[in-house]
Amino acid sequence: GAGVSQSPSNKVTEKGKDVELRCDPISGHTALYWYRQSLGQGLEFLIYFQGNSAPDKSGLPSDRFSAERTGGSVSTLTIQRTQQEDSAVYLCASSSTPGQGYTGELFFGEGSRLTVL
Amino acid sequence: AQSVSQHNHHVILSEAASLELGCNYSYGGTVNLFWYVQYPGQHLQLLLKYFSGDPLVKGIKGFEAEFIKSKFSFNLRKPSVQWSDTAEYFCAVNAGAAGNKLTFGGGTRVLVKP
Repeated sequence: GAGVSQSPSNKVTEKGKDVELRCDPISGHTALYWYRQSLGQGLEFLIYFQGNSAPDKSGLPSDRFSAERTGGSVSTLTIQRTQQEDSAVYLCASSSTPGQGYTGELFFGEGSRLTVL
Repeated sequence: AQSVSQHNHHVILSEAASLELGCNYSYGGTVNLFWYVQYPGQHLQLLLKYFSGDPLVKGIKGFEAEFIKSKFSFNLRKPSVQWSDTAEYFCAVNAGAAGNKLTFGGGTRVLVKP
């Protein structure tokens, strides 16, 4: 697609339920990122995928959070047993890699707004 | 670990006023620096970036930023703001050892009154 696509755009769930958020990056981009944007908190890094390398999971806040990237393209962020503090906008971004027309720019999707009741 | 600080959380200006947003980072090595902007209801987009060379970087919409290595700063400026500059602005740093992972500051909400 022309840009980074995320779904759903809005998700309301009950505390304790599991949710899955999807990201479809720009075609050809090898790097994919998940960030979380909470009100007044800026952007919090969650996880980073680069090609076939092991992902950098250093930003995942707890073991309830996990992400995978299938076939080097689409990624799914899963939150198990959601809590109210998980409410935020989850942003996905993709970028090219040094040596492949790299510009250093991350291209962001519109985000998935998660509300946990 | 690298970190980015934006000292102003909220800024309110009148049109034609000058804008300067502070950004400081903590990392001793080579860095790439970015400013992103998020207009109301829109996704984040790149405003400008610094990799190397001239420390005064010009971006879109009349914005510029100056990298001062000795101060670990990358402040954003615009001489005369417009109502359409109302947005949230994020400074970000990509340190060499961290690869492409960007660390963002907390953001500054700018409101330009017409």
